[in-house]
Amino acid sequence: DQQVKQNSPSLSVQEGRISILNCDYTNSMFDYFLWYKKYPAEGPTFLISISSIKDKNEDGRFTVFLNKSAKHLSLHIVPSQPGDSAVYFCAASARAQGGSEKLVFGKGMKLTVNP
Amino acid sequence: DAEITQSPRHKITETGRQVTLACHQTWNHNNMFWYRQDLGHGLRLIHYSYGVHDTNKGEVSDGYSVSRSNTEDLPLTLESAASSQTSVYFCASSEWNEQFFGPGTRLTVL
Repeated sequence: DQQVKQNSPSLSVQEGRISILNCDYTNSMFDYFLWYKKYPAEGPTFLISISSIKDKNEDGRFTVFLNKSAKHLSLHIVPSQPGDSAVYFCAASARAQGGSEKLVFGKGMKLTVNP
Repeated sequence: DAEITQSPRHKITETGRQVTLACHQTWNHNNMFWYRQDLGHGLRLIHYSYGVHDTNKGEVSDGYSVSRSNTEDLPLTLESAASSQTSVYFCASSEWNEQFFGPGTRLTVL
């Protein structure tokens, strides 16, 4: 049973436009969410995170929105740049339950930003 | 600068052989993790450790083992390699939620 779902395997957008990456989760105990970016032949790198006590977190061009009632989060990239082309992973953890250091990852979504 | 390294970066082995993948971090993190990445599955947790002499099974632990004798290293051993274990393996470390990943090891089992 997949607890973190990224239902769209890929997304293609034009440079300068907005990229919206979606993630859904099923475990109501998840209270911390992260996005990772991965380039080919490299390890994933942390991008941005959000705690369940917030509904929005912003870092430069990257904003993550959390809708707890819908168990849904999204990553917005504005404006998108060709260097953003990568695979993006959504991850979640249940900090309040202990063992919070464990993350559950989605399957990833490939973003392509066209010049 | 602190870092996390993996070796080898590429490995080809035969079915039935024992293989050990190395992971070394200089962050002085207590928590270390091993994942495998496969098409259509994302990152799946194999084993993890919260400190020296602590090891725990993850989602896909069958056929794998780890040991933690110091803070810096968490080697992953495939006791008897199988073709189903052909994958890209990532090691990660953390102190809290944000995990730092190594560059990965591509393992091919023929």
